[in-house]
Amino acid sequence: GQNIDQPTEMTATEGAIVQINCTYQTSGFNGLFWYQQHAGEAPTFLSYNVLDGLEEKGRFSSFLSRSKGYSYLLLKELQMKDSASYLCAVRFHTGGGNKLTFGTGTQLKVEL
Amino acid sequence: GAVVSQHPSWVICKSGTSVKIECRSLDFQATTMFWYRQFPKQSLMLMATSNEGSKATYEQGVEKDKFLINHASLTLSTLTVTSAHPEDSSFYICSGQEWVMNTEAFFGQGTRLTVV
Repeated sequence: GQNIDQPTEMTATEGAIVQINCTYQTSGFNGLFWYQQHAGEAPTFLSYNVLDGLEEKGRFSSFLSRSKGYSYLLLKELQMKDSASYLCAVRFHTGGGNKLTFGTGTQLKVEL
Repeated sequence: GAVVSQHPSWVICKSGTSVKIECRSLDFQATTMFWYRQFPKQSLMLMATSNEGSKATYEQGVEKDKFLINHASLTLSTLTVTSAHPEDSSFYICSGQEWVMNTEAFFGQGTRLTVV
């Protein structure tokens, strides 16, 4: 089966940097995604890693280590609007194609 | 990014009735459509995976006769919640993936279902 762990909640200060970690165990690994979700809305895509290393996209960066089953999402220059749930999702290959399994999400609260 | 249009955004129905949710891929061909359910303060739980033209594959614990999925074309997939009960009240989200691109899956806007 698949298992994805991430912290339930985090709090950070506006303007600061925050790192949200995600660990996973899965077979047939085929990519790791980070999504942002505001309450009552659908998730929005933030980043995608399939090879080891860092992917940078503006204020957001994501890192992947496949050998360690570990990823993190780094948010810089935090803004109040960044308060949301951040979902780590692992894509894995099965006999019937690819599937995407989500972690429980990390609720980030940005304070003044 | 590509767009998946999901309707309705919210629906209230009486217990025992059926509700149909539609997802359309507007600018790509969704060879695979995933259907998720999300309860308050919980993550997305995959209900089923459907490939165009074939029967959906349901996750363990999801009743296929209760949650009917149709994926008859490359741009349209539907989820019908049959004989809905209050415990079916949830946020339902579809996600479409194109076989060729096969990088990210694109989400619909979600449907908030309330069964009274």
